[in-house]
Amino acid sequence: AQSVTQLDSQVPVFEEAPVELRCNYSSSVSVYLFWYVQYPNQGLQLLLKYLSGSTLVESINGFEAEFNKSQTSFHLRKPSVHISDTAEYFCAVSDRGPKIQGAQKLVFGQGTRLTINP
Amino acid sequence: NAGVTQTPKFQVLKTGQSMTLQCAQDMNHEYMSWYRQDPGMGLRLIHYSVGAGITDQGEVPNGYNVSRSTTEDFPLRLLSAAPSQTSVYFCASRAPGRWTNYGYTFGSGTRLTVV
Repeated sequence: AQSVTQLDSQVPVFEEAPVELRCNYSSSVSVYLFWYVQYPNQGLQLLLKYLSGSTLVESINGFEAEFNKSQTSFHLRKPSVHISDTAEYFCAVSDRGPKIQGAQKLVFGQGTRLTINP
Repeated sequence: NAGVTQTPKFQVLKTGQSMTLQCAQDMNHEYMSWYRQDPGMGLRLIHYSVGAGITDQGEVPNGYNVSRSTTEDFPLRLLSAAPSQTSVYFCASRAPGRWTNYGYTFGSGTRLTVV
């Protein structure tokens, strides 16, 4: 079974400052990794994903995350945040198992609330 | 518009009442899931389905039932509502096979309060 730990429940930063949201996972098998974003009063949207290949993945709005297998981490970073990035961010993991019942369930971390101060 | 539709958006129940949260998707996704979101606990999987007629339990299934008679619909039933079931419920779906390119699509949620 997999588990995900997001080390910070809340992260306040000033606008245009850099930010890192930390995510560590535990799994006995190879995994896929995801970051989802939830804006206030909305559902979750996929922000970026690591499936294979390059360990650095990027989103269209300037976020990036790096898969570190040795440290079992998938931290999310942005060099300069904007007020519109205020949201809750969820790290999630799923195993690479065969497509049978029970495989590839998505397991979420507890979430990190990012607040941007002007 | 294509996507996952959840109804109702808000609901207040009395303890002991039953109700069904509706979820429908029009993307022909075989995989569907129900999650509940509680402060500080992220999203926890309640039940999931890998296709019509096939369902299984997730992390927190007690007090909930599901069925999957069609590919499009995956309703979640609360048998006898309890205050501990006060939460925001999300339905999500994804396509098999090519799922690695898309991840899950989530509905906008149902906010349930049990008094």
